[in-house]
Amino acid sequence: DTAVSQTPKYLVTQMGNDKSIKCEQNLGHDTMYWYKQDSKKFLKIMFSYNNKELIINETVPNRFSPKSPDKAHLNLHINSLELGDSAVYFCASRLRGGMNTEAFFGQGTRLTVV
Amino acid sequence: AQRVTQPEKLLSVFKGAPVELKCNYSYSGSPELFWYVQYSRQRLQLLLRHISRESIKGFTADLNKGETSFHLKKPFAQEEDSAMYYCALGYGNKLVFGAGTILRVKS
Repeated sequence: DTAVSQTPKYLVTQMGNDKSIKCEQNLGHDTMYWYKQDSKKFLKIMFSYNNKELIINETVPNRFSPKSPDKAHLNLHINSLELGDSAVYFCASRLRGGMNTEAFFGQGTRLTVV
Repeated sequence: AQRVTQPEKLLSVFKGAPVELKCNYSYSGSPELFWYVQYSRQRLQLLLRHISRESIKGFTADLNKGETSFHLKKPFAQEEDSAMYYCALGYGNKLVFGAGTILRVKS
């Protein structure tokens, strides 16, 4: 059973379109994240949700809107896609109840905007 | 501001040579420090955490609070160690990553 799963794995779309990426975790974790990995492999935190509440929003354009319908899901919707949005997006989850807990990552969604 | 610095973008060594991947952090509290590894086209996975003080795949990392460092070391590199390595700092609800170091082990 995959612990953190993202769909789709690949997404190719035109500029100006709106798209969503879905993430689900079956680990019972209370905190979920979205990260963006750019072409230089830099991994930047975008959002974090704890128990369905947004707790971190790292100066991401408001074209990006996360939604957490329940603790096990964190989806990312992107409006008016731009060329610069092309990247690999990783979802992760973590249990914040304890210290030094491991984050588990999805396999990534490779978004290409053309 | 809390930050993780990995000064080397690429580290290239020969098989059997020692490896040290550098990581420095800035955080005033008690840090949670991790090393994550990403093999080619795969998801990130945890390699080590400072609290465990264990050796995984021959890698070790020691937290040095005086130097604010958490360098990753392995005495004898193997070809299968070739990957991207990220140092990460956890605080509050955040988990932030350094820029990553590509380790290339040549035969």
